[in-house]
Amino acid sequence: GENVEQHPSTLSVQEGDSAVIKCTYSDSASNYFPWYKQELGKGPQLIIDIRSNVGEKKDQRIAVTLNKTAKHFSLHITETQPEDSAVYFCAAGDSGGGADGLTFGKGTHLIIQP
Amino acid sequence: EPEVTQTPSHQVTQMGQEVILRCVPISNHLYFYWYRQILGQKVEFLVSFYNNEISEKSEIFDDQFSVERPDGSNFTLKIRSTKLEDSAMYFCAGGELYTGELFFGEGSRLTVL
Repeated sequence: GENVEQHPSTLSVQEGDSAVIKCTYSDSASNYFPWYKQELGKGPQLIIDIRSNVGEKKDQRIAVTLNKTAKHFSLHITETQPEDSAVYFCAAGDSGGGADGLTFGKGTHLIIQP
Repeated sequence: EPEVTQTPSHQVTQMGQEVILRCVPISNHLYFYWYRQILGQKVEFLVSFYNNEISEKSEIFDDQFSVERPDGSNFTLKIRSTKLEDSAMYFCAGGELYTGELFFGEGSRLTVL
């Protein structure tokens, strides 16, 4: 089955600086890579995703890159703000959806220092 | 914006008791999932459900667990005889076919004493 590794487990950055979270996956059949943000006591919320036919995707301050050859993908947050503080999970799965759902990484606790 | 709703938000139960967690998925979703998150750990897949039957289940989803969609709207997770290690947040999620996107509920916190 799929295995997703995520680093770092904790990331502390100064407000306004950039944050980068990295993930690797094991199953070359995976072709859908979403990122979820989880605030304290809440469910994971999808913030951005990328599919394997694309190398990079950007949405305002958030960008995701994918290297299929190396089986790794990254989340980049620029101009970080206090409300970016949360736990971020990467995941891997099938872009067609379906039975297997998603395999999640262990999460990164992002702390934005004022 | 439609959302996945889960009840109860928190349940405390004694070891050995039965627990039912409920979810109302987004109406146009076709695949439904239960995930578990033990405190401070990653979100783990339990089971997927499509066309009124289980599609896939993980090793965690043993005989103590069951799911059903009794009335076409609610989607339930039952734990027959709870153990201490069942204490976790349980998330319901739903998705459409052909997109891969999953939308999660706010979760139900289960505490087994």
